[in-house]
Amino acid sequence: AQKITQTQPGMFVQEKEAVTLDCTYDTSDPSYGLFWYKQPSSGEMIFLIYQGSYDQQNATEGRYSLNFQKARKSANLVISASQLGDSAMYFCAMRVPDTGRRALTFGSGTRLQVQP
Amino acid sequence: DVKVTQSSRYLVKRTGEKVFLECVQDMDHENMFWYRQDPGLGLRLIYFSYDVKMKEKGDIPEGYSVSREKKERFSLILESASTNQTSMYLCASSLVSWASGAYEQYFGPGTRLTVT
Repeated sequence: AQKITQTQPGMFVQEKEAVTLDCTYDTSDPSYGLFWYKQPSSGEMIFLIYQGSYDQQNATEGRYSLNFQKARKSANLVISASQLGDSAMYFCAMRVPDTGRRALTFGSGTRLQVQP
Repeated sequence: DVKVTQSSRYLVKRTGEKVFLECVQDMDHENMFWYRQDPGLGLRLIYFSYDVKMKEKGDIPEGYSVSREKKERFSLILESASTNQTSMYLCASSLVSWASGAYEQYFGPGTRLTVT
């Protein structure tokens, strides 16, 4: 079975500081993909970043980077130079293609609040 | 840009009513999904469809059915709404890919359903 665990229900960060949102995953399959989504108060899910299990380097997209530690089964999201607009729910998700499951498996989310 | 639209942002229905939630995507995606989002539980898959008239149950299909008569449209049906179906409902679509999970899902804005 696939499982995503986000242990931080809520986080606070000061504007312009970096913040790390934790995500651990569980799968026995060697081939999988990890995703992070942002959900502002408007409700729409916004794709942020993707990491494949065979990717040699950690994924980066602008101020977002994914700290991928395969042996520890963790895929933490790092947001550098936080902005007020980063305040939102953040979800970690996984897909394991060889299981035939086309949908993503999501964690419970972390609510990030950026303070001025 | 991919666009996924949902018929209503907010919906209030009475217990026992039949409820239709509509989702339309404009990118010719094969896969479409319905998720339910509840606080502390993240997103859970209700149903997904990989082609017209094709559907598979997700993790929590009880009390729901779906319909996909056209490729761009995927409907979620609550045959007899109950108060425990009060939730946020998110529709998503994606391309088919059998790579290492390397495709993102595009989400609609969500429908917040209240059943009284």
